[in-house]
Amino acid sequence: GDSVTQMEGPVTLSEEAFLTINCTYTATGYPSLFWYVQYPGEGLQLLLKATKADDKGSNKGFEATYRKETTSFHLEKGSVQVSDSAVYFCALSSSGNTGKLIFGQGTTLQVKP
Amino acid sequence: GAGVSQSPSNKVTEKGKDVELRCDPISGHTALYWYRQSLGQGLEFLIYFQGNSAPDKSGLPSDRFSAERTGGSVSTLTIQRTQQEDSAVYLCASSSRQGASYNEQFFGPGTRLTVL
Repeated sequence: GDSVTQMEGPVTLSEEAFLTINCTYTATGYPSLFWYVQYPGEGLQLLLKATKADDKGSNKGFEATYRKETTSFHLEKGSVQVSDSAVYFCALSSSGNTGKLIFGQGTTLQVKP
Repeated sequence: GAGVSQSPSNKVTEKGKDVELRCDPISGHTALYWYRQSLGQGLEFLIYFQGNSAPDKSGLPSDRFSAERTGGSVSTLTIQRTQQEDSAVYLCASSSRQGASYNEQFFGPGTRLTVL
């Protein structure tokens, strides 16, 4: 079945460092891909998405490109801030007719000043 | 407008008791989803509603779990004879549809269930 694998955390970075969180997927058809973020004490919220190959999703300085050839959707940010400390989830929605999300395990990011 | 709300925010129960968790989706959202977030299993899909019907119940872990949705709005997830492995945060999400596609899912704050 469909699945998502993302790099294990925690990831600890200094402020202004470059961030990459790897995400790969297995799916039949052409899924949509998402990154969700869960800030401490808050609910899950959509960070960015891409719905077809070579699309780039971007928001709040974060970017991810849908790479069909490598089945990947890596999350990047050029300069992280302390306020980016959160748990990041990669997810896919398969091309079926329910829209349900399949999530990766989550990666905890801690940014130190 | 109001987001997705869930109640209770926390629930502590004894093993073997039944519990009901409630979700109020965003008004007008026809699609509603339940997920479970636990330490061992991560975030996993439980059930999907379109209107009042549940065409995908594939994630329900056992027949102790059931859910219903009434009036195309409020949904209740019921866990019978709770077990300690049911301890988790139960998340509800809703979304609207655009033709055959689904728009962004908006998540509620979750219900933290602890089974003693």
